[in-house]
Amino acid sequence: SQQGEEDPQALSIQEGENATMNCSYKTSINNLQWYRQNSGRGLVHLILIRSNEREKHSGRLRVTLDTSKKSSSLLITASRAADTASYFCATDKDGATNKLIFGTGTLLAVQP
Amino acid sequence: NAGVTQTPKFQVLKTGQSMTLQCAQDMNHNSMYWYRQDPGMGLRLIYYSASEGTTDKGEVPNGYNVSRLNKREFSLRLESAAPSQTSVYFCASTGTGGRQPQHFGDGTRLSIL
Repeated sequence: SQQGEEDPQALSIQEGENATMNCSYKTSINNLQWYRQNSGRGLVHLILIRSNEREKHSGRLRVTLDTSKKSSSLLITASRAADTASYFCATDKDGATNKLIFGTGTLLAVQP
Repeated sequence: NAGVTQTPKFQVLKTGQSMTLQCAQDMNHNSMYWYRQDPGMGLRLIYYSASEGTTDKGEVPNGYNVSRLNKREFSLRLESAAPSQTSVYFCASTGTGGRQPQHFGDGTRLSIL
């Protein structure tokens, strides 16, 4: 399997704090995507970062990508209870078929 | 806006039974995917279809078959269910061109006894 790994597996923080999740992968990529999954629901796309980009922002989300270390991080600032979910990174090797390889996910719990 | 619709939401089967999981999307997407999600393992690709009339194996295709019935519908069939196929199954679709996000249904929770 070429799945990536995410770290930590679980994270518990208080509302208002920042949450950082890390993703490592094994092969060269065209782009890396982050998804959120609420309990009992499907995945929802959050953000896509291309291999030639180092940082990208979307609202309270900040994603970084270091292709030399084959790693990415997702930062959620000023977290809210509604951010409680599992977060997955997914790598796209060629950028053409949109086939993704998903990491194992980080379960984030934001305490009110 | 329905997006990606999966049926059924829950199913319990006995070992050896067969069943078909249905998926339909209303976004005029070309590509569709079937994944399974097991605890601690993330999502693994079973089969995908880049366009109507084409299908290809993913990472874990054994024990499954698929049919891309038309542009909207992509079904997953278990011919002889095994306990190892107990999982949550997700269907997804994506638009034309590279670097497209995938849109997911809410899953089918399948238990095989």
